[in-house]
Amino acid sequence: QQQVKQSPQSLIVQKGGISIINCAYENTAFDYFPWYQQFPGKGPALLIAIRPDVSEKKEGRFTISFNKSAKQFSLHIMDSQPGDSATYFCAPWVAGNKLTFGGGTRVLVKP
Amino acid sequence: NAGVTQTPKFRILKIGQSMTLQCTQDMNHNYMYWYRQDPGMGLKLIYYSVGAGITDKGEVPNGYNVSRSTTEDFPLRLELAAPSQTSVYFCASSSREGGGYTFGSGTRLTVV
Repeated sequence: QQQVKQSPQSLIVQKGGISIINCAYENTAFDYFPWYQQFPGKGPALLIAIRPDVSEKKEGRFTISFNKSAKQFSLHIMDSQPGDSATYFCAPWVAGNKLTFGGGTRVLVKP
Repeated sequence: NAGVTQTPKFRILKIGQSMTLQCTQDMNHNYMYWYRQDPGMGLKLIYYSVGAGITDKGEVPNGYNVSRSTTEDFPLRLELAAPSQTSVYFCASSSREGGGYTFGSGTRLTVV
C-alpha cells in the first residue's frame, strides 16, 4: 500500500482567499494524480487530475501543481468561495494498484 | 443516468447481526470498489472487483465478503456485525483501473 500524507488536516480561509492543500507520496512511479471533493453526506467526486508528465493543470479556479523532486503535488483553490467548503482528498495512482486516498483536508471558506 | 446507487442509506445493526449493503451501477463499468470512511478520516479499500466473477481483498477486508455475479451489482456482506464496523460505506466504479471513480452517496451503518 502506497503511503500518502496529506496536509493540512483542516483549513479555514476567507472568501476570496487562496486554499492550498499538499499531498506527499513515497512512490516515484505514480501514473495519475486525481483530487476528489466531498461534500457532507455525499460521496467523493473527481475534481481535477494530472499526469506526471505535466507540471501544472488548471481548471477554472482549481490548479494542480506537481513537484516531482519533492514528491509532492498540491491543489490550489483560487478566489475561494463558501461553496468550496468541503473535504478534499488526493488519491495518487500507480498502474496495477487501486487508488490510495490521503487522509483528507477539511476546507471551510468563511463569507 | 443514475450512476452508482447504494441502498440502504442508513442502518442500525445490533452486534452479531448480518446484513448486505447493495451497490448497483448503470455505466457498464468493469471496476467496482467498496470503501469505508470513519469519521474525519480518509477512505480505506475493503474489496474490489475487476469484472463479473472476479473479486479481491483490499486494505481492510476482515469481517466482510463480496460477490460479483453481474457487471452491474457488487453487494457487500457483513457477517457478525461488530462496533468496529460502524462507519460510512461507499461503493464506487470506474471504466478503467485508476480512472475517475464514480462514488455512490454512501450507507451510514451503526452497530450497537
